[in-house]
Amino acid sequence: QVQVVESGGGVVQPGRSLRLSCAASGFSFSIYAMHWVRQAPGKGLEWVAVVSYDGSDKYYADSVKGRFTVSRDNSKNSLYLEMNSLRGEDTALYYCARDQDYGGKFDYWGQGTLVTVSS
Amino acid sequence: QSALTQPASVSGSPGQSITISCTGSSSDVGIYNLVSWYQHHPGKAPKLLIHDVTQRPSGLSNRFSGSKSGNTASLTISGLQAEDEADYYCCSYARSKTWVFGGGTRLTVL
Repeated sequence: QVQVVESGGGVVQPGRSLRLSCAASGFSFSIYAMHWVRQAPGKGLEWVAVVSYDGSDKYYADSVKGRFTVSRDNSKNSLYLEMNSLRGEDTALYYCARDQDYGGKFDYWGQGTLVTVSS
Repeated sequence: QSALTQPASVSGSPGQSITISCTGSSSDVGIYNLVSWYQHHPGKAPKLLIHDVTQRPSGLSNRFSGSKSGNTASLTISGLQAEDEADYYCCSYARSKTWVFGGGTRLTVL
């Protein structure tokens, strides 16, 4: 069955870096765009970034542009989010989600990995 | 990339119908028919309910329906059931391969 599983979250100091991973299984990973979406404690969902099926196109929310980098390795069925210059407001549960047709149909989501930015 | 506007909470009794609104602008909801809706039970993965404004994923109950008028999209849940109690989010394509979510609506089944 289709599964996406996030990992790599943890507690990190402001200004430091962290790399999240998302392992996909049960589908042809290399033909789907993939997104990162986050949810800060007590807040709603916030779209973070997308990468096209082949990794050639990447787009970001203004709130993370220049600090976060999304990437993928289709040979490993994996999605990544490199987060630099972390801030307190980046504290959130980070989800990866499959996009059915690169039109924003997030049809499969993981359970999320928690990132806490705190000194 | 301002968040779409949803009511913070709605409620209804079992068997009733409720509608959740999602107001954006002429830069997102108003110009693109790429609005989706998600159900989120805390601690679980969000679930796609509606895509492309009105389309339901295969196998999803027809109790869930979507619509749009101008800059406002809506999700209607008919025949409310206890298990519908959850958070609901709208999402719209915005521009240049970016997306924006609504602030979320907590549905309480009385």
